[in-house]
Amino acid sequence: EAQVTQNPRYLITVTGKKLTVTCSQNMNHEYMSWYRQDPGLGLRQIYYSMNVEVTDKGDVPEGYKVSRKEKRNFPLILESPSPNQTSLYFCASSSHLYEQYFGPGTRLTVT
Amino acid sequence: GENVEQHPSTLSVQEGDSAVIKCTYSDSASNYFPWYKQELGKRPQLIIDIRSNVGEKKDQRIAVTLNKTAKHFSLHITETQPEDSAVYFCAASRWDSNYQLIWGAGTKLIIKP
Repeated sequence: EAQVTQNPRYLITVTGKKLTVTCSQNMNHEYMSWYRQDPGLGLRQIYYSMNVEVTDKGDVPEGYKVSRKEKRNFPLILESPSPNQTSLYFCASSSHLYEQYFGPGTRLTVT
Repeated sequence: GENVEQHPSTLSVQEGDSAVIKCTYSDSASNYFPWYKQELGKRPQLIIDIRSNVGEKKDQRIAVTLNKTAKHFSLHITETQPEDSAVYFCAASRWDSNYQLIWGAGTKLIIKP
């Protein structure tokens, strides 16, 4: 089954404790992206990757890191999380100008 | 850069009536316009898309129209049903944009019984 998976689905952590949210897709898509979704603000892109070892900043990259060492994986790293990073995070993947497939989302709370 | 504005932010319609959501874009080179539906607690999913070489596309009760001159596109839902209640997002992209979608802020559609 074609899918995008994210882990964990829910995470409560404390300020400053490094965390990683994993994202994996099995569709051999070149493009992968991370979004955060906050009430009233829609989907805001954090980082995206056009292919292995190619990443670029989106609209709100501050406080986040990513890597793309393999085509199927695109982890999101928060080195020192802060409360303003409390949000719902979505990973997505696609081929060029086609449907973006979203993961199930990760709800992160930073206290 | 591209900017996409979406209106209204909330739309309430009676079940069985039609709903229309509009988006405007700024970059005349944009050529791909998808619409995503996000039900409560779920992930966004593509419901329909249109490319700039056509003016209208239909899929059962939903349709999208594109006016390239005015740089706007709209989602039309006819005979609305309770399961149409969701947040709808429009987006725009151009062929040389490195897969980038520029998103509208979303419209919460409420279907009243």
